[in-house]
Amino acid sequence: ETGVTQSPTHLIKTRGQQVTLRCSSQSGHNTVSWYQQALGQGPQFIFQYYREEENGRGNFPPRFSGLQFPNYSSELNVNALELDDSALYLCASSLESRLAGADTQYFGPGTRLTVL
Amino acid sequence: AQSVTQLDSQVPVFEEAPVELRCNYSSSVSVYLFWYVQYPNQGLQLLLKYLSGSTLVKGINGFEAEFNKSQTSFHLRKPSVHISDTAEYFCAVSPGGSYIPTFGRGTSLIVHP
Repeated sequence: ETGVTQSPTHLIKTRGQQVTLRCSSQSGHNTVSWYQQALGQGPQFIFQYYREEENGRGNFPPRFSGLQFPNYSSELNVNALELDDSALYLCASSLESRLAGADTQYFGPGTRLTVL
Repeated sequence: AQSVTQLDSQVPVFEEAPVELRCNYSSSVSVYLFWYVQYPNQGLQLLLKYLSGSTLVKGINGFEAEFNKSQTSFHLRKPSVHISDTAEYFCAVSPGGSYIPTFGRGTSLIVHP
């Protein structure tokens, strides 16, 4: 069983640019969540996708968007980058659970985004 | 809305000593509670979770946590720590029926030889 992988590991962008981060979930996991972790902070929930549909969203603006594909891969897209977008971006996959919010999430190692 | 408070940003301890990492939460509805560990340059790994039932939850690596509803706490404990336990620990709460979890700011556990 392969774990959750993310690419790239590090990325440097300038303010105003757009970025796409990628995640490959564990095989069979039909749910993926994305988090932003600023330095010295806990992860903040961005959104969750279930079977290619957005399933829940945190307090992030629409310039944060995502896609989930049938092959267990997903993307996080951020438009019009701002300096405050500099953070570690984590994806986490999980199996569907009958108890919403009770899933065990399996995290990838993250992508470190620096916005200059 | 729910919130999570991890009362200690840093906890230094000597190897083989016991440790407790504190977590308090607030929520107007029933919640699920989680503890995660994050080693340097890695993602988070689930240590344990409380969904219902027994208030004492045992997890991996010898960790356990106790859910106290009256004090709205979910403190993490280990009777004897190892150098390899040095890491960042995050408490998280997820309201029942919601997919949106809230994480605390983390507690850095530093184990000295």
